Amino acid sequence: QVQLVHSGAEVKKPGSSVKVSCKASGDTFSTYSISWVRQAPGQGLEWVGGIIPIFGTAKYAQNFQGRVTMTADESTSTAYLEMSSLRFEDTAVYYCARGAPNWDDAFDLWGQGTMISVSS
Amino acid sequence: AVQLTQSPSSLSASVGDRVTITCRASQDISSALAWYQQKPGRAPKLLIYDAFRLESGVPSKFSGSGSGTDFTLTISSLQPDDFATYYCQQYDSDPTFGGGTKVDSK
Repeated sequence: QVQLVHSGAEVKKPGSSVKVSCKASGDTFSTYSISWVRQAPGQGLEWVGGIIPIFGTAKYAQNFQGRVTMTADESTSTAYLEMSSLRFEDTAVYYCARGAPNWDDAFDLWGQGTMISVSS
Repeated sequence: AVQLTQSPSSLSASVGDRVTITCRASQDISSALAWYQQKPGRAPKLLIYDAFRLESGVPSKFSGSGSGTDFTLTISSLQPDDFATYYCQQYDSDPTFGGGTKVDSK
């Protein structure tokens, strides 16, 4: 059974950086895109960006450009999200989600999420 | 960016009720729309894609319709397991989500 497994929760100070991971188990993720979607406490869903591991190409939502970097390691089927200059409002659960390699599809598989807390 | 407006933002319903949620896009997105169900503390779960296609394993009580700018998710007979928050999402361009509709018990 294919699963997306996240790294553990993080607590960071404002202005710092964080890097979290999402590992696909039970299948290769090379033929898909992996997106990151965040959800602040009590709020809705927000797409952060995504990567196509087989090509290494990433695209980011405008709100996050310049502050996030998405990478992937095909050898371990792991995708990474790195976010810098963290702000209090970045506190959220960050989900990875699988989509089509041409971005033209829904997200059919989600990880359990990683909580990132930004606190002084 | 394409904006999605869901209505209502919340509704109260009883077991057995027929429930309808709407999603309006700020521009024509053809049929590039999905619906998700999310329960507290859980990741979203895909229900419908391409506006009307039922994801594998999802009960047929869920149905989707619409194209262009106006879309609908219908639950034909609400069951206790269906109390949750529902989101629409478009993928015609960079993905965006609606604000969500919370369905709770009347």
